Amino acid sequence: QVQLVQSGAEVKKPGASVKVSCKASGYTFSTYYIHWVRQAPGQGLEWMGIIYPAGGSTSYAQKFQGRLTMTRDTSTSTVYMELSSLRSEDTAVYYCARDYTRLDFWGQGTLVTVSS
Amino acid sequence: QSVLTQPPSASGTPGQRVTISCSGSSSNIGSNTINWYQQLPGTAPKLLIYISHKRPSGVPDRFSGSKSGTSASLAISGLQSEDEADYYCAAWDDSLNGWVFGGGTKLTVL
Repeated sequence: QVQLVQSGAEVKKPGASVKVSCKASGYTFSTYYIHWVRQAPGQGLEWMGIIYPAGGSTSYAQKFQGRLTMTRDTSTSTVYMELSSLRSEDTAVYYCARDYTRLDFWGQGTLVTVSS
Repeated sequence: QSVLTQPPSASGTPGQRVTISCSGSSSNIGSNTINWYQQLPGTAPKLLIYISHKRPSGVPDRFSGSKSGTSASLAISGLQSEDEADYYCAAWDDSLNGWVFGGGTKLTVL
């Protein structure tokens, strides 16, 4: 069965970077886009960007341009989301999700807390 | 401020039918299909409706979706206590080249 398993919770100081992983299984990794979506406490969902595992091409929401990097490792079927220059407003649960003309499978979420 | 507009809350009694609306624009709902997600507290969103009206395997037929122009709606009939959750609409936006979401509707079963 399709599964996306994310890395564990992180606590970071303002100005630091965080790298969250998302390991895919149960399907052909290279043939589906992976998106990252975040959800601040008590808030709605916010799309961050997309990576195509086959070639590694990416596209990011304008809000995160310059701070967000998505990469992938095809040997381990894992995608990574790195967000730099963290500020308190980046405190959120970060989700990866598979795209099959809809976000059909989601990871369990990774809580990133930014606090001094 | 979310790109898609949903009412912040909705409610109903067990057995009732409730609808949740979602309003967008020509660059998202008007030109693409819409998906609905259910999010239970502390869990990841779960796909509920895709391509505006289709249900993934395992989703009860009590849930239905429709779309007209730049608006869409989710209907839940025969409301049950386990339907109490947050519901989000989503669509691809051709101008932003990304997914856009509604702000979410908190459904309370009275």
